Amino acid sequence: SQKIEQNSEALNIQEGKTATLTCNYTNYSPAYLQWYRQDPGRGPVFLLLIRENEKEKRKERLKVTFDTTLKQSLFHITASQPADSATYLCALSPSAGNNRKLIWGLGTSLAVNP
Amino acid sequence: DAGVIQSPRHEVTEMGQEVTLRCKPISGHDYLFWYRQTMMRGLELLIYFNNNVPIDDSGMPEDRFSAKMPNASFSTLKIQPSEPRDSAVYFCASTHANTGELFFGEGSRLTVL
Repeated sequence: SQKIEQNSEALNIQEGKTATLTCNYTNYSPAYLQWYRQDPGRGPVFLLLIRENEKEKRKERLKVTFDTTLKQSLFHITASQPADSATYLCALSPSAGNNRKLIWGLGTSLAVNP
Repeated sequence: DAGVIQSPRHEVTEMGQEVTLRCKPISGHDYLFWYRQTMMRGLELLIYFNNNVPIDDSGMPEDRFSAKMPNASFSTLKIQPSEPRDSAVYFCASTHANTGELFFGEGSRLTVL
């Protein structure tokens, strides 16, 4: 069956450290994968998009990698801050021809402790 | 731009009542999506529109759910009759054709008693 999985357990890290979140998928050949941030009671906010032919993408303190062989994306936040505490969602476009129907993970909760 | 605007933010109703959720997408966006989010199932796509035309409604749970987009600046999601299992947060999102990034509203939290 087709699945997309994120760490179900909350991630707690110390301020200043690098947070690494994982998104694994099976039985898809995604055209691209996206990461969103969601705060309690708010809608998801787009962070980064990485395409199938890209290995890595960066934006300020954020870095995303995409390994289509391992069927995995890693999301890194360097020099983490308490303000980075939120739930992070990954979403993939199942195929190039139907890329408006994103498949979403359940999210990983990140807590950055001061 | 004000972003995607949804109303109401919170709705509490009794089983059997009709519920109408509203969405105003970002001006210039030609795609509009309705999602439902629960703890157990996460974000689920219900339906999406392109240029006001419904493209895929395969995620709509059953005939009790309907969605319309009468013009480029307004969409509704209606549940009639509502049931307790419809309790969730409903999100509207919009985007334009040359990007995959979705812009979400703040959601409508629905509680059906």
